[in-house]
Amino acid sequence: GQNIDQPTEMTATEGAIVQINCTYQTSGFNGLFWYQQHAGEAPTFLSYNVLDGLEEKGRFSSFLSRSKGYSYLLLKELQMKDSASYLCAVKDSNYQLIWGAGTKLIIKP
Amino acid sequence: ETGVTQTPRHLVMGMTNKKSLKCEQHLGHNAMYWYKQSAKKPLELMFVYNFKEQTENNSVPSRFSPECPNSSHLFLHLHTLQPEDSALYLCASSQIKGAGGNTIYFGEGSWLTVV
Repeated sequence: GQNIDQPTEMTATEGAIVQINCTYQTSGFNGLFWYQQHAGEAPTFLSYNVLDGLEEKGRFSSFLSRSKGYSYLLLKELQMKDSASYLCAVKDSNYQLIWGAGTKLIIKP
Repeated sequence: ETGVTQTPRHLVMGMTNKKSLKCEQHLGHNAMYWYKQSAKKPLELMFVYNFKEQTENNSVPSRFSPECPNSSHLFLHLHTLQPEDSALYLCASSQIKGAGGNTIYFGEGSWLTVV
């Protein structure tokens, strides 16, 4: 079956750096997405990786290794507003999005 | 403001009621989706419409009935639901269904409680 694994919950300190990992086993690969979802709000798009390597976008970066079936989302200079759930999703060979259950990130002062 | 609006934001209904969720996208997209989000579970894709035509129905019980009158509007009709159907229902849209990095944009969801 197809599977996306990410930690259920993580805690980090304001101003610090946190890395949220995502591993996947899917039938084919056509890209990996990260979304941010604040409580009670819509998931919003953060990043898309289809080639190996690091994509940087301000304080957020996303890394992909297709050979390892692995991605991470790196958040720098953490702010309280970064407290949210982070969803990893992979497009399989049929261009279906397979979703992880999300990682709840708690930022402490 | 996400470009995808859903109403109502909150709905409480009895198991014998009939209600509908509404979604409208203002992004000019041609694919629309219904997802179910339950606590600590992955998003579950329910239905997909491309150019108003339903292309996927992921084994969703018939008590959920989608309707897509045009590429900007999507409804989810609810009838004789069960308490386990209580969840956040998310509508989404994208430019096309499949290829490449076409990003899916979500509405803020409709919180459904079945009593």
